[in-house]
Amino acid sequence: GAGVSQTPSNKVTEKGKYVELRCDPISGHTALYWYRQSLGQGPEFLIYFQGTGAADDSGLPNDRFFAVRPEGSVSTLKIQRTERGDSAVYLCASSLQAQDTDTQYFGPGTRLTVL
Amino acid sequence: GNSVTQMEGPVTLSEEAFLTINCTYTATGYPSLFWYVQYPGEGLQLLLKATKADDKGSNKGFEATYRKETTSFHLEKGSVQVSDSAVYFCALFSGGYNKLIFGAGTRLAVHP
Repeated sequence: GAGVSQTPSNKVTEKGKYVELRCDPISGHTALYWYRQSLGQGPEFLIYFQGTGAADDSGLPNDRFFAVRPEGSVSTLKIQRTERGDSAVYLCASSLQAQDTDTQYFGPGTRLTVL
Repeated sequence: GNSVTQMEGPVTLSEEAFLTINCTYTATGYPSLFWYVQYPGEGLQLLLKATKADDKGSNKGFEATYRKETTSFHLEKGSVQVSDSAVYFCALFSGGYNKLIFGAGTRLAVHP
């Protein structure tokens, strides 16, 4: 079946611009996660959705970052006033639920470059 | 807080050599443990997992055993291939925190 998809695969923007990154999870998965991976590092948690609601947004670095999942499926990560330090690969993952035995399936990521 | 520490890379081996990548964790409660792999140019893929103490996860010739007494989940393979060259990430998931916590990753390079 179809896996997690993310668009765009690459995004180059200028400092100060607004960007949106999209994630389409596996059908039927209620839990959706966003992570950020900097070069040479492991992914770091940003936000977790259970259904439509953000159950844990403790990983968002500041209020320039926001994410939505209005219908409990597709999610959009929004970054305002981008900074060069926001450059990274943004990963989306989904799982059937959010139990500790559930496997998270990752998308290919969006590579964001802020010039 | 919860954390994962894995051995620094790169690890360079000849084909058919034995592989060990060490992973230790700090966690409250009883987390589930995972190894993910990232092949060049590809996304993160689950390699194996173990959800309780003494469980052994295995896949594609790789194995890891959940050792609660030593808080470890070391990855092993008896005979590596060039196609195993990738970055390997150890991770834990604790239900109380609702997120995967990853180690920094270990790059493996296998030469013919």
